[in-house]
Amino acid sequence: DSGVTQTPKHLITATGQRVTLRCSPRSGDLSVYWYQQSLDQGLQFLIQYYNGEERAKGNILERFSAQQFPDLHSELNLSSLELGDSALYFCASSVTRGNTEAFFGQGTRLTVV
Amino acid sequence: GENVEQHPSTLSVQEGDSAVIKCTYSDSASNYFPWYKQELGKRPQLIIDIRSNVGEKKDQRIAVTLNKTAKHFSLHITETQPEDSAVYFCAASPTGTASKLTFGTGTRLQVTL
Repeated sequence: DSGVTQTPKHLITATGQRVTLRCSPRSGDLSVYWYQQSLDQGLQFLIQYYNGEERAKGNILERFSAQQFPDLHSELNLSSLELGDSALYFCASSVTRGNTEAFFGQGTRLTVV
Repeated sequence: GENVEQHPSTLSVQEGDSAVIKCTYSDSASNYFPWYKQELGKRPQLIIDIRSNVGEKKDQRIAVTLNKTAKHFSLHITETQPEDSAVYFCAASPTGTASKLTFGTGTRLQVTL
């Protein structure tokens, strides 16, 4: 167990809908990262938050947004969902910006039908 | 942006043999190169990493080498065991941390008895 908790584990929703994925980082970790893993695109970095502020942005679509709350948990919001958004979404956390090891959660498997 | 290529996509070795996975990267600014192991249905886990100021790093049966001039790095697993069977991902980041990691497409390693 990495200490990073993601909910829900599985999510099935229809095209056009909006969902929220939740991540609780390891105790004391200030950085949260979101990754998308799909069969055709592999593991892709979406966005990073550090202590409530956005720190880095990757290949995140405009339909997607994220935030990190004062208690350091993070949410990834996916809207206007398309079939191609079906993927495994991972959250990872690390202690500080400078810490090199990121601990991954178990992921949320999103299926858009 | 960064592009990481990983080869081979699948690798089958007999127990006790060595396995080598190779990655190349495109961005000369990349300075942090982790390797992750992902077992079926589970989260990626960091197994070893290397920074650009080091040419080689070893941890028991696992070693990583880095050639900055050629922009490639490799994972070496010696005395392979069945529990080494998994998908291995290389990654690169220009931040020196786990932020903004660009992942390779993965290598499925199968260790047969």
